[in-house]
Amino acid sequence: SAVISQKPSRDICQRGTSLTIQCQVDSQVTMMFWYRQQPGQSLTLIATANQGSEATYESGFVIDKFPISRPNLTFSTLTVSNMSPEDSSIYLCSVDPTGESNYGYTFGSGTRLTVV
Amino acid sequence: AQTVTQSQPEMSVQEAETVTLSCTYDTSESDYYLFWYKQPPSRQMILVIRQEAYKQQNATENRFSVNFQKAAKSFSLKISDSQLGDAAMYFCAYLRTGANNLFFGTGTRLTVIP
Repeated sequence: SAVISQKPSRDICQRGTSLTIQCQVDSQVTMMFWYRQQPGQSLTLIATANQGSEATYESGFVIDKFPISRPNLTFSTLTVSNMSPEDSSIYLCSVDPTGESNYGYTFGSGTRLTVV
Repeated sequence: AQTVTQSQPEMSVQEAETVTLSCTYDTSESDYYLFWYKQPPSRQMILVIRQEAYKQQNATENRFSVNFQKAAKSFSLKISDSQLGDAAMYFCAYLRTGANNLFFGTGTRLTVIP
């Protein structure tokens, strides 16, 4: 299965600033996913990132707030823009290593973001 | 929209004993996949086991097995011979065939008592 390196592992940021989270995979994958896990909550899909096209955002998430880049088949970034304390969450990168999502996704170790 | 419900926020089990975590889901689809993920304090989401809805046979992976009741839309996880390393949050997840979005339940925190 794929190995995902996600950076940073944690950060404390001032409100109004932006943070870019990086996700590096050790193999080429078609789709990469970004999830948010709010404190004590479950995971919610933010967007799906395909190389060479605009990311597809889920309801409640917009590109201006969470811009995503996918420059190649092994790398993606998620930016959390103009942060507020409500953005304090764990952000996880995920990939579909087989290209067939039915076999389950592999997740990075997450970025714990605290906005003060 | 699909919903996944885990009615047990917390569970505990004695080391070496067996514990069952509950999960129910709501869908109008007939073809889908179900998963159990484990999230230890390291935050890494680890796939524990998967079940294909069209298969009646319950999936098994070593000490982990599921009880899949399609008609009841129930998908419980049984952990046998519990070990200290099993302590984690466990999430049940649903994936419609052909879709990309994994729907997660709210999780069950499992404590293993030495």
